Amino acid sequence: ETTVTQSPASLSMAVGEKVSISCKTSTDIDDDMNWYQQKSGEAPKLLISEGNTLRPGVPSRFSSSGYGTDFVFTINNVLLGDEGIYYCQQSDNVPYTFGAGTKLELK
Amino acid sequence: QVQLQQSGAELVKPGSSVKISCKASGYTFTSYDMHWIKQQPGNGLEWIGWIYPGNGNTKYNQKFNGKATLTADKSSSTAYMQLSSLTSEDSAVYFCARGAPGYEDWFAYWGQGTLVTVSS
Repeated sequence: ETTVTQSPASLSMAVGEKVSISCKTSTDIDDDMNWYQQKSGEAPKLLISEGNTLRPGVPSRFSSSGYGTDFVFTINNVLLGDEGIYYCQQSDNVPYTFGAGTKLELK
Repeated sequence: QVQLQQSGAELVKPGSSVKISCKASGYTFTSYDMHWIKQQPGNGLEWIGWIYPGNGNTKYNQKFNGKATLTADKSSSTAYMQLSSLTSEDSAVYFCARGAPGYEDWFAYWGQGTLVTVSS
């Protein structure tokens, strides 16, 4: 099973700042990493899929990079509406596994 | 548009079973895997398994072997997950999520979640 280690567990940022979240995997997963945003009481929303592909309708402020075992998710110019919990998920091998999440709070 | 409508919250007793549903619309139900994902209160996400409604093939997270059983009814475009021998550790929100086209497995479409509470 591929373990996904996500950091940090929480972030407190000011509007307009840059957010960076890291996910490291215990096995090489090529670029099979996906990123989700979950707001309180809602299902997760897919932001970026395999190959660092921004999903339709997702602002270009969101991006990701990485290959192999090290991945980074970035939000440029963070807005109040970006508050929530962000998860990474590897889709290279079963069982699919998620990071523990990063809670983003805006000051 | 793709929609996944899950059944309502369940309060069940320890040792019993529960079956929750996920009705799909807006796409060809038999052409995409349906995945199930567990989220315990305040916790992260855990993948349970998938079913391919086209032929009924399933794949489970080994951790949920014997706990979860996935089925699908093509006639009603509904996927089901049965959870058995329930304990407090099974109290969680359970999501269904449609798989991606082809061989990729990311989740662009999710149900609203079904809260299962196991309590005597």
